[in-house]
Amino acid sequence: AQSVTQPDIHITVSEGASLELRCNYSYGATPYLFWYVQSPGQGLQLLLKYFSGDTLVQGIKGFEAEFKRSQSSFNLRKPSVHWSDAAEYFCAVGNNAGNMLTFGGGTRLMVKP
Amino acid sequence: GAGVSQSPRYKVAKRGQDVALRCDPISGHVSLFWYQQALGQGPEFLTYFQNEAQLDKSGLPSDRFFAERPEGSVSTLKIQRTQQEDSAVYLCASSLASGGGGQPQHFGDGTRLSIL
Repeated sequence: AQSVTQPDIHITVSEGASLELRCNYSYGATPYLFWYVQSPGQGLQLLLKYFSGDTLVQGIKGFEAEFKRSQSSFNLRKPSVHWSDAAEYFCAVGNNAGNMLTFGGGTRLMVKP
Repeated sequence: GAGVSQSPRYKVAKRGQDVALRCDPISGHVSLFWYQQALGQGPEFLTYFQNEAQLDKSGLPSDRFFAERPEGSVSTLKIQRTQQEDSAVYLCASSLASGGGGQPQHFGDGTRLSIL
């Protein structure tokens, strides 16, 4: 069975500081990995995805993530955080059949001015 | 429309009532998914359609939950005899193609269901 763990429930960073959100997954085959962001009262917006190839993937809003098979990780990074980045971030793994996503519990990001 | 549309945005019901939640996917999207998101948690898979066929309903928590997509477009999630534990945000997502784990899912804003 596939699973995703996001170890950090809450993270607070200062505006302009760098950010790394951790994600560890468990899946028996090559994973399809996603990061989504959710603002209060909103649905999930796709930030980036990894299927194969280059292990460093670029996404929208200046985010990037690195797939590390040896560590079963897919951490999300941003070099300089903006106040508008405050939201809930979800890592997800998709199965090969494409019929479901399994999400982590989310990390709530707060940005200090 | 441009995105996945869900209605109503908010629904309050008394315990024991039946509710129906609607999802209008992105035009042309073959696959449609329902997820349940409890407060402070990540979404959990409920069910999946490919066109009008419900191919996976393994996530439905009980036989009180029923989903349909009769014409392969709009979908309805119905919950009968609602219980307080059904209170959650129900998210609908759609994706362009069938099969293949790499297709990104596009989410609606959800329906927040509160059972009193």
